[in-house]
Amino acid sequence: EIVLTQSPDTLSLSPGERATLSCRASQSVSGYLAWYQQKPGQAPRLLIYDTFTRATGIPARFSGSGSGTDFTLTISSLEPEDFAVYYCQQRDNWSGSFGQGTRLEIK
Amino acid sequence: EVQLVQSGAEVRKPGESLKISCKVSGYSFTSHWIAWVRQMPGKGLEWMGIIYPRDSDTRYSPSFLGQVTISADQSINTAYLQWSSLKASDTAMYYCARLVAVADLDYWGQGTLVTVSS
Repeated sequence: EIVLTQSPDTLSLSPGERATLSCRASQSVSGYLAWYQQKPGQAPRLLIYDTFTRATGIPARFSGSGSGTDFTLTISSLEPEDFAVYYCQQRDNWSGSFGQGTRLEIK
Repeated sequence: EVQLVQSGAEVRKPGESLKISCKVSGYSFTSHWIAWVRQMPGKGLEWMGIIYPRDSDTRYSPSFLGQVTISADQSINTAYLQWSSLKASDTAMYYCARLVAVADLDYWGQGTLVTVSS
């Protein structure tokens, strides 16, 4: 089973700043690396799939990158509504796993 | 419009059984896998398993194999997650989500809160 480790656990930034969230896999991921945003009391929302592709309706300030075992979610300029918990997720032959999450909080 | 609507919150005692549901609409139920995801209080997301409703092919995460049963009923476009004997540690929010080959978990249910307490 592939284990995903996200860093940092918590990221404190101000609106307008750039956020960089990392996700490292215990072994190479085939490319099905996705990112989700979860706000309190809500279900997760898909942001990025296949490492790079924004889901429908996701603003261009969200971007994904990486390959192999190292992946990154970048938010170019934080908006107030972006402060939430972010999870990476991989799927390998229909077996999936999530990272432990990164909490993005207002500084 | 794609929708996954889950059954309501449940409170059970340890040792009791439970079956929660996820009813889908807005797309062909038999064309995509459905995933179940657990979120314990204050914790992260955990992949439990998936089912392909067309043939009920089911894949469990090793942590959940033997602990829960995932099933589906094509006639009513509904997926299920069930326990035969609940434990206090099963207290959590449970989400169903549509799994698409290209786009992963693109639509989610609203979640079902399961509380197990004596």
